[in-house]
Amino acid sequence: SAVISQKPSRDICQRGTSLTIQCQVDSQVTMMFWYRQQPGQSLTLIATANQGSEATYESGFVIDKFPISRPNLTFSTLTVSNMSPEDSSIYLCSVGQNRNTEAFFGQGTRLTVV
Amino acid sequence: AQSVSQHNHHVILSEAASLELGCNYSYGGTVNLFWYVQYPGQHLQLLLKYFSGDPLVKGIKGFEAEFIKSKFSFNLRKPSVQWSDTAEYFCAVNPQTAGNKLTFGGGTRVLVKP
Repeated sequence: SAVISQKPSRDICQRGTSLTIQCQVDSQVTMMFWYRQQPGQSLTLIATANQGSEATYESGFVIDKFPISRPNLTFSTLTVSNMSPEDSSIYLCSVGQNRNTEAFFGQGTRLTVV
Repeated sequence: AQSVSQHNHHVILSEAASLELGCNYSYGGTVNLFWYVQYPGQHLQLLLKYFSGDPLVKGIKGFEAEFIKSKFSFNLRKPSVQWSDTAEYFCAVNPQTAGNKLTFGGGTRVLVKP
């Protein structure tokens, strides 16, 4: 298993500003992902964080809005840029070792944009 | 692209009642299947998983799920629920070629009345 720590756990931000969320894992992992859970909704994959290269974004998500870094096998950041109230969500980091294993989730970052 | 459908958005039960939550997916290839649970105020936790083998899988807290390939279904069951099973339940699918990248169903909120 993997222990995932996300920071901050919650934040209230002004519209037009940006927030960077950190995800730290207690062991090296092959795969890291970022998900969004909008209020009352399910989880939607934003992107796969690739070590040493640009993230792979899902349809509807772009790098300018959600820049992602992954400098090594245990750490990643997601930035929510130029925020609007529609960005109010829980953002979750997820990790996995490889195919045919389970994914683990962090506790999430609850973001409120006012 | 794959999709996951959970039939019930909200379920209300009394303690000791039986629970069954439906999950269907659409994907032509081989998949891994998961049920995750999110208790109020807590992060996402894995209930059970299916990768291969016996299509009836047992998870934590008395939950089980049956994979019926011909029906593209992975329904979750518990014979007798407790008040502590009040939570949101998510079915998720992961094509075996896609690493740990998950597609989630819409979730089912379960309320167990004491």
